[in-house]
Amino acid sequence: GENVEQHPSTLSVQEGDSAVIKCTYSDSASNYFPWYKQELGKRPQLIIDIRSNVGEKKDQRIAVTLNKTAKHFSLHITETQPEDSAVYFCAATPFGATGANNLFFGTGTRLTVIP
Amino acid sequence: DVKVTQSSRYLVKRTGEKVFLECVQDMDHENMFWYRQDPGLGLRLIYFSYDVKMKEKGDIPEGYSVSREKKERFSLILESASTNQTSMYLCASSTLSDEQFFGPGTRLTVL
Repeated sequence: GENVEQHPSTLSVQEGDSAVIKCTYSDSASNYFPWYKQELGKRPQLIIDIRSNVGEKKDQRIAVTLNKTAKHFSLHITETQPEDSAVYFCAATPFGATGANNLFFGTGTRLTVIP
Repeated sequence: DVKVTQSSRYLVKRTGEKVFLECVQDMDHENMFWYRQDPGLGLRLIYFSYDVKMKEKGDIPEGYSVSREKKERFSLILESASTNQTSMYLCASSTLSDEQFFGPGTRLTVL
């Protein structure tokens, strides 16, 4: 099955700086890569996703890049704010391989934005 | 707005008890999932279902079973709870090709 590795496990940045979280995956059939944000005590929520026919996607201060050849994808957060502090999870799935889009998650990155 | 609800936020059970965790979604989603979340291990898939009465094992199905008798409801069953099943359990649902929406989670403690 798919194996997703995520780094770093913890990340501290000054408010206003950028944060980058990286993930690698093992299954070349994976074609959907979502990122979830989980604030303390709350449920994970999708913040951005990318499909394998796209190399980069941006939504305001958040961007995701995908390198299919190298099998890695990254989350970039610019101009970080204290409310960006949370645990971020990357995931991958080979859509269409089964009847459901079961996601394979990374182990998470705890981001702390220091005011 | 998609709503995924779980029967309990906190649950305390004793070793050997049978435990039922229920998840209900109101968006007519085909797919439903059960994960457990442990510090440093991320979200690990226990079981998933892509249709009524259909179920598939995830990465860590041992010690668990599931039931999906109705499209909107997906139950996780711990036949004989053990202390190593103390964890946060998250349910999720999705359409065939879209994002997964998570429930609020159930923090289960097995004494």
